[in-house]
Amino acid sequence: AQSVTQPDIHITVSEGASLELRCNYSYGATPYLFWYVQSPGQGLQLLLKYFSGDTLVQGIKGFEAEFKRSQSSFNLRKPSVHWSDAAEYFCAVGALETGRRALTFGSGTRLQVQP
Amino acid sequence: NAGVTQTPKFRVLKTGQSMTLLCAQDMNHEYMYWYRQDPGMGLRLIHYSVGEGTTAKGEVPDGYNVSRLKKQNFLLGLESAAPSQTSVYFCASSYFGKGVAYEQYFGPGTRLTVT
Repeated sequence: AQSVTQPDIHITVSEGASLELRCNYSYGATPYLFWYVQSPGQGLQLLLKYFSGDTLVQGIKGFEAEFKRSQSSFNLRKPSVHWSDAAEYFCAVGALETGRRALTFGSGTRLQVQP
Repeated sequence: NAGVTQTPKFRVLKTGQSMTLLCAQDMNHEYMYWYRQDPGMGLRLIHYSVGEGTTAKGEVPDGYNVSRLKKQNFLLGLESAAPSQTSVYFCASSYFGKGVAYEQYFGPGTRLTVT
């Protein structure tokens, strides 16, 4: 069964600084990978997704992520963080073979942005 | 398009009471899901449906039942609520595409407290 690990429970960065959120997955075949963001009291919004092809994926709000098969990682990055980026971020992996096509989520990383 | 909507947004139940959470989507999606979100645990799949009239169990189905009588609606029922079911419940939907990966669209969530 697939699994997702987000090693950092909580990260604090200064506004304008760069950001990298880590995600490691476990899955036997080529995974389908997603990053979602959840603002307080809100549902989850898709930031970006990786299906195949170019391993550097661009998303909304200036985010990007890089798929590294050798490291089983799909880290999320942003060159310059804005205060509005403060939220919880979830990495997720999906698999066509499971039939149900549900996603397996990591436990999330909460991002705080200092002025 | 409203996307995925959930009712109610908040609910407080006493132990042993029952209730039904309603999820509706207007995107003509085949797949629908119910997740629960608890601190530090990400989202866990309760039940899912791959089409009208079909439902199946996810990771944590005990204490819940579901029904999908219409394609656009997915109901989650708690027959006898327990404090362990205090959580935030999210509904999601996705399209079906053979050989195509899928992103899920989430509702705003229902915060349920069982006392």
